[in-house]
Amino acid sequence: ETGVTQTPRHLVMGMTNKKSLKCEQHLGHNAMYWYKQSAKKPLELMFVYSLEERVENNSVPSRFSPECPNSSHLFLHLHTLQPEDSALYLCASSQVLGVMSGELFFGEGSRLTVL
Amino acid sequence: GQQVMQIPQYQHVQEGEDFTTYCNSSTTLSNIQWYKQRPGGHPVFLIQLVKSGEVKKQKRLTFQFGEAKKNSSLHITATQTTDVGTYFCAEGSNYKLTFGKGTLLTVNP
Repeated sequence: ETGVTQTPRHLVMGMTNKKSLKCEQHLGHNAMYWYKQSAKKPLELMFVYSLEERVENNSVPSRFSPECPNSSHLFLHLHTLQPEDSALYLCASSQVLGVMSGELFFGEGSRLTVL
Repeated sequence: GQQVMQIPQYQHVQEGEDFTTYCNSSTTLSNIQWYKQRPGGHPVFLIQLVKSGEVKKQKRLTFQFGEAKKNSSLHITATQTTDVGTYFCAEGSNYKLTFGKGTLLTVNP
C-alpha cells in the first residue's frame, strides 16, 4: 500500500478508443504528477498539478489530456493514441510542490497497451 | 531538469558480493534522490542528498553526494536476493525530478 491508488492496473485499447486512467491519493498531499515509463527510457514527467492547478505540461501531445478535479484525484484521458504510447503510466504525489519537500510517492502504475 | 547519466546499465552479482551504481552529471546538481523499483513494481523513494560531500547510510546501503555535486553513488554491501531491482537516481530542480535510466541489479543466490 503506497497511499496512491491507480486504476485500471492494465488497459488494452485500440487507436480509436477513448479511455481514462484514474489516480487517487490518500496522503493529504497537495501536488500530483503523471509520469510515463517506457522500456529502455528514463521516467518522463508528463504533467504536474499543485492544488488542482496545472503547473507543467512537459510537451505532451494533446491526445493525452489531464484532469485534476481536487487535490486527491488525478485523471489522464486518452484518445486516438499511437502504439508507441504503450507504456507504464505512473501517478505520484508529494506533500507540496517542490523537490526539496522530499520524496515522491508513486502508485503501482497503469500498464497501457495500444493496438 | 538536467540530464543525469547512470552506470552501469546492468549489474549481475553473486549473493554476498557488493554492488555500486553511479550517477553523473556534467553540471552541478542541486540535489539527488534515489529510488528502487522492484520487477513489476513501482519506484520507491530511498533517500535524498542535498549537501556537498554528504554521506548517508541505511543498513547495508550507503549513499554519497560528490564534493562538487556533480555525481552520486549508491553502494550496497553484501547483496541479498531482496536487493534485486532497478535503482534510479533523480535530479531535482524546482518541482521537476529528472530521472536517470537506472541500473538493473540481479542477484544470483
